[in-house]
Amino acid sequence: EDKVVQSPLSLVVHEGDTVTLNCSYEVTNFRSLLWYKQEKKAPTFLFMLTSSGIEKKSGRLSSILDKKELFSILNITATQTGDSAVYLCAVASGNTGKLIFGQGTTLQVKP
Amino acid sequence: GAGVSQSPSNKVTEKGKDVELRCDPISGHTALYWYRQRLGQGLEFLIYFQGNSAPDKSGLPSDRFSAERTGGSVSTLTIQRTQQEDSAVYLCASSPQSGGSPLHFGNGTRLTVT
Repeated sequence: EDKVVQSPLSLVVHEGDTVTLNCSYEVTNFRSLLWYKQEKKAPTFLFMLTSSGIEKKSGRLSSILDKKELFSILNITATQTGDSAVYLCAVASGNTGKLIFGQGTTLQVKP
Repeated sequence: GAGVSQSPSNKVTEKGKDVELRCDPISGHTALYWYRQRLGQGLEFLIYFQGNSAPDKSGLPSDRFSAERTGGSVSTLTIQRTQQEDSAVYLCASSPQSGGSPLHFGNGTRLTVT
């Protein structure tokens, strides 16, 4: 059975800290791995990764994929209270590109 | 342009009643997905539509759940004889094509079954 596992499930840090969120997966016919941020309602897209070892970066956020070890990490440097959210990892598999989501990591950044 | 639109935003219903949830995808997006998110949980895949192809219904939890997509645009998710365990946020998403393109999500419908 295809599955995506995120860790930790929750995390509390202070502003300025750096955090690393983990995502491991076991899926058949892997196509891509995506990270989303969910604050109140709709998840918003952060990154899509398809190739191993190539870092994607957007401001203080970055992510990388390891297709050999079947995991990805999402890094957030110099965290701010606005980074508080649920971070979702999803893997697209098969010909349909159906996204299988992990449970999410709830990040709380305290002032 | 307009994003994915879902209605209603909130729905409270009595156990045993039928409900219909609506999703209006981004214009031109051929792929449409429904997901369910229970409180504190990740997103659970329900059903996927791509163009005129037969939908992937592999995630529907029971035969009380059904969905259709008319004219390749608007989709309706129907839950018959609702149960309390159906309480969740139902999220719709669309993308320009299938194959792992980033999904654009609507704000969801929060369903509460009393």
